[in-house]
Amino acid sequence: NAGVTQTPKFQVLKTGQSMTLQCAQDMNHEYMSWYRQDPGMGLRLIHYSVGAGITDQGEVPNGYNVSRSTTEDFPLRLLSAAPSQTSVYFCASLEPLGTGELFFGEGSRLTVL
Amino acid sequence: RKEVEQDPGPFNVPEGATVAFNCTYSNSASQSFFWYRQDCRKEPKLLMSVYSSGNEDGRFTAQLNRASQYISLLIRDSKLSDSATYLCVVNMRNDYKLSFGAGTTVTVRA
Repeated sequence: NAGVTQTPKFQVLKTGQSMTLQCAQDMNHEYMSWYRQDPGMGLRLIHYSVGAGITDQGEVPNGYNVSRSTTEDFPLRLLSAAPSQTSVYFCASLEPLGTGELFFGEGSRLTVL
Repeated sequence: RKEVEQDPGPFNVPEGATVAFNCTYSNSASQSFFWYRQDCRKEPKLLMSVYSSGNEDGRFTAQLNRASQYISLLIRDSKLSDSATYLCVVNMRNDYKLSFGAGTTVTVRA
């Protein structure tokens, strides 16, 4: 059972480039989300989805897009990377009727030069 | 004011010691509370949920004080392996948008 899988684990981009962080879960969880983690700050919610075809903005959505075409996949797109998007990104899933536990991927470290 | 605030520490304690720290939250209507553990450069993992009556899981005890709007985590008989950052997580609006504290770092020394 793989849980939540994120790729890539590391990425370096130049300002203005675009890229997609991939996230997949095999637990059949309806809820999926993307967070970013910066030093001295808690994890901040970027976008989330409560099921296939449904997405919504979190606390810091600017500069990011998401889609949810299947229950399993929830990619995060950076449209035009900026140095302020240098961060560690975590994808997480949750089964709402369960314990409320968030299951995280291993994280993707992104550096924008 | 941040929604969830934690003392960043670090708390440096010897093996076998007891260490405790709190987390305050801003929304009195918050519904559920959790402690997550995050090891260096790793993903957060659930340590324990926090129940209204308080709860224990081995050497870990979590308490909730709704009147003063804080939760606490106590670690007894600290082990080297307890060295980590402990994240306070609060479900403030009874939806899926959990609010995270910045974490409290605990370092247990031999």
